[in-house]
Amino acid sequence: EAGVVQSPRYKIIEKKQPVAFWCNPISGHNTLYWYRQNLGQGPELLIRYENEEAVDDSQLPKDRFSAERLKGVDSTLKIQPAELGDSAVYLCASSLGMVRAGETQYFGPGTRLLVL
Amino acid sequence: AQTVTQSQPEMSVQEAETVTLSCTYDTSESDYYLFWYKQPPSRQMILVIRQEAYKQQNATENRFSVNFQKAAKSFSLKISDSQLGDAAMYFCAYRSTSTSGTYKYIFGTGTRLKVLA
Repeated sequence: EAGVVQSPRYKIIEKKQPVAFWCNPISGHNTLYWYRQNLGQGPELLIRYENEEAVDDSQLPKDRFSAERLKGVDSTLKIQPAELGDSAVYLCASSLGMVRAGETQYFGPGTRLLVL
Repeated sequence: AQTVTQSQPEMSVQEAETVTLSCTYDTSESDYYLFWYKQPPSRQMILVIRQEAYKQQNATENRFSVNFQKAAKSFSLKISDSQLGDAAMYFCAYRSTSTSGTYKYIFGTGTRLKVLA
């Protein structure tokens, strides 16, 4: 079974440029999460999807960040324009669904973003 | 607000020995989940073990076990018979039990574990 796929793995851009990250969750997983992990820190949840609905985006900086999950499968996270402080690793995770609160999240390898 | 604290930025253990990683948390909720995640240098994070707060029995998964002290809000991870493949960042995480709407899923800052041959 394929795991969570993310692309690109690395991205270097100049500040004020746009950038997009793509995530393909494990087949059959209804819940999808986007996290941001700053250097030396734990992941911070940005947004959570249940199927195609964003049910928790309270931590998403909406002035410059946007996300979508068309058809409830793949998801894209966008930053426009990027700032120096956006340099981080962006992790995508998926899980079967929110029937059980303690269910396992499966993480992708992440996209490492460097903003110059 | 809920918080998760890992006070050990780095730990070392000799191969085949036992090591304990510490985690404390703060919450006003009575029911929640606690997790330990492992993040190897390749950065793909995987679940090591989970504990449901309403269960008094400590969770175990092969060489990994936890010491869950609910009153003290402590959740430590013990790794027995340490192996070279255990070297990684270990994150403690807290999740409230709400299954709808906004909920908290909070990670600690991590402990880097080195395993010495």
